[in-house]
Amino acid sequence: GQQLNQSPQSMFIQEGEDVSMNCTSSSIFNTWLWYKQDPGEGPVLLIALYKAGELTSNGRLTAQFGITRKDSFLNISASIPSDVGIYFCAGQSTGGTSYGKLTFGQGTILTVHP
Amino acid sequence: DVKVTQSSRYLVKRTGEKVFLECVQDMDHENMFWYRQDPGLGLRLIYFSYDVKMKEKGDIPEGYSVSREKKERFSLILESASTNQTSMYLCASSLWTGSSGNTIYFGEGSWLTVV
Repeated sequence: GQQLNQSPQSMFIQEGEDVSMNCTSSSIFNTWLWYKQDPGEGPVLLIALYKAGELTSNGRLTAQFGITRKDSFLNISASIPSDVGIYFCAGQSTGGTSYGKLTFGQGTILTVHP
Repeated sequence: DVKVTQSSRYLVKRTGEKVFLECVQDMDHENMFWYRQDPGLGLRLIYFSYDVKMKEKGDIPEGYSVSREKKERFSLILESASTNQTSMYLCASSLWTGSSGNTIYFGEGSWLTVV
């Protein structure tokens, strides 16, 4: 199946620092999504990207859909303790019999020290 | 708001037992999915369904089956649970219109331990 490589696997940062993580794929996706998962909960959608080159913000979060459609990044500015969690990228195929399935990256574990 | 509800948050089952994980969504979504989440492996798709009584294998269907008798309910079945099926299981649903940008919503997860 399709593979997504997400990096870094984990990050330990001080409160107030900026964070950057990215995903690369061997295949093209039509949509890129970024999710955050708090401990013991299901993933919650942060940002959805629908067009190559698109740059979208949601508060302190900014994400971009790569021009090649094979990569995406997520930036978090001025991190705060509640940013702690696991961040997942996901690529979505929309053609043929894909039915909008998501392929997920391995996740980035973010720890923020006060 | 979309709500995806998984009936059991925490289960402990014995090897060889038959296990049912139930999921219900309240937004009339066509598509429903079962993922498995393991540390370092991210979320992997087990099965999905795009309509009542329809099902498709995902990336890791071995050892699992599913049932979708009603649009709002999608069940994951472990016919004979094994210890390597100890994991967190996530149900999800989405509306499918054939175009890009259909958001997938997740339930809170079911933690299954097989002993």
